[in-house]
Amino acid sequence: KAGVTQTPRYLIKTRGQQVTLSCSPISGHRSVSWYQQTPGQGLQFLFEYFSETQRNKGNFPGRFSGRQFSNSRSEMNVSTLELGDSALYLCASSSGGSGYSTDTQYFGPGTRLTVL
Amino acid sequence: QKEVEQNSGPLSVPEGAIASLNCTYSDRGSQSFFWYRQYSGKSPELIMFIYSNGDKEDGRFTAQLNKASQYVSLLIRDSQPSDSATYLCAASGSARQLTFGSGTQLTVLP
Repeated sequence: KAGVTQTPRYLIKTRGQQVTLSCSPISGHRSVSWYQQTPGQGLQFLFEYFSETQRNKGNFPGRFSGRQFSNSRSEMNVSTLELGDSALYLCASSSGGSGYSTDTQYFGPGTRLTVL
Repeated sequence: QKEVEQNSGPLSVPEGAIASLNCTYSDRGSQSFFWYRQYSGKSPELIMFIYSNGDKEDGRFTAQLNKASQYVSLLIRDSQPSDSATYLCAASGSARQLTFGSGTQLTVLP
């Protein structure tokens, strides 16, 4: 089974621009979660999508948004980029069911975003 | 604030020794616990998960959970230089989001 894929892998933007990141989950997985990883704050949860609906949201400003398509692929958008948005953005997929083991999240390779 | 705490290390052990990594969590509603390994410049890789009190073994790895003490640990037996990485502990509650600790950097010395 193919793993989680993320595109692009690297991105350089300037302040004020917007960016869209893409994530394709493991085949059959319906839940996609997004995380931001920085050296100072570590791994922080952004949001989770399940069956095209945002099911859970972390403590990030409204500039961070996402969506999920009917094939479970997900996109994340950051508008009006700030220097502090430079980070590794990770997507994780899980089956999204109700059992404990179905909470298990598998991470993609990440998109490294640099804001200049 | 739901928190997961780990000793940031660095932790150094000689090759062949047992590495012990510890984690505590503050949210008693947490139900599942995960250990991920992250090599420098890479994404987190799942090692194992545990949700019942006690021990769970998988090869050289043993996860231990004590819900009364809100404590999770990971033991790595016969540590190898290839185990050198940052180990992340994460907790998941009813909301399914993972709350991560800051990670423990492990170095296995040849």
